[in-house]
Amino acid sequence: DIVMTQSPDSLAVSLGERATINCKSSQSVLYSSNNKNFLAWYQQKPGEPPKLLIYWASTRESGVPDRFSGSGSGTDFTLTISGLQAEDVAVYYCQQYFSVPETFGQGTKVEIK
Amino acid sequence: EVQLLESGGVLVQPGGSLRLSCAASGFTFSNYALSWLRQAPGKGLEWVSAIIGSGDNTYYADSVKGRFTLSRDNSKNTLYLQMNSLRGEDTAVYYCAKGPDGAFGRTGDYYDFWGQGALVTVSS
Repeated sequence: DIVMTQSPDSLAVSLGERATINCKSSQSVLYSSNNKNFLAWYQQKPGEPPKLLIYWASTRESGVPDRFSGSGSGTDFTLTISGLQAEDVAVYYCQQYFSVPETFGQGTKVEIK
Repeated sequence: EVQLLESGGVLVQPGGSLRLSCAASGFTFSNYALSWLRQAPGKGLEWVSAIIGSGDNTYYADSVKGRFTLSRDNSKNTLYLQMNSLRGEDTAVYYCAKGPDGAFGRTGDYYDFWGQGALVTVSS
């Protein structure tokens, strides 16, 4: 199974500042036949199901604010929240869907400083 | 509007059985692969099982293989997860989630819609 490791486990960021979450996979999730990274990011608020933010490592889901962006390739990926808002307080998960079983990172809790 | 509504979550004793259902609406049900994922209290997300749009192929995490059975009724727009020989470590919120297309298996899926979840508690 591919192991997904996020860093940090938690971070506190001032309103309006940038939050950066890293995700590393134990093997590449780049599919050579289509040159796509099989990596997604989700946001989960307390008592709610996860919400898809980003797929194919950098494609923003419809309706997701453009302050959320994804980058990276191969084994190293980043979710950036540019200009943190109060409603962005949540736990963020990366997920690889390159192979079955799909696996998730342990989550990163984002709070307001 | 896409909606996924789970039901069937209850308290069950170790060794017991349970069937979860997920009623779907707002999309052409048979065109999409569906999965169950779970989240133990205070923990992260774990993929459990998936089924392709036609229902011909199913996939399971090693942790549930041989104990859980996934099926779908495309005439009723409903997904089912039969859970047998339940253990304490199966205690979790179980989410039904929709993939972006009907395929699954060569690769996995990302999930664009999730249900609100059904709590399964396995305890004596």
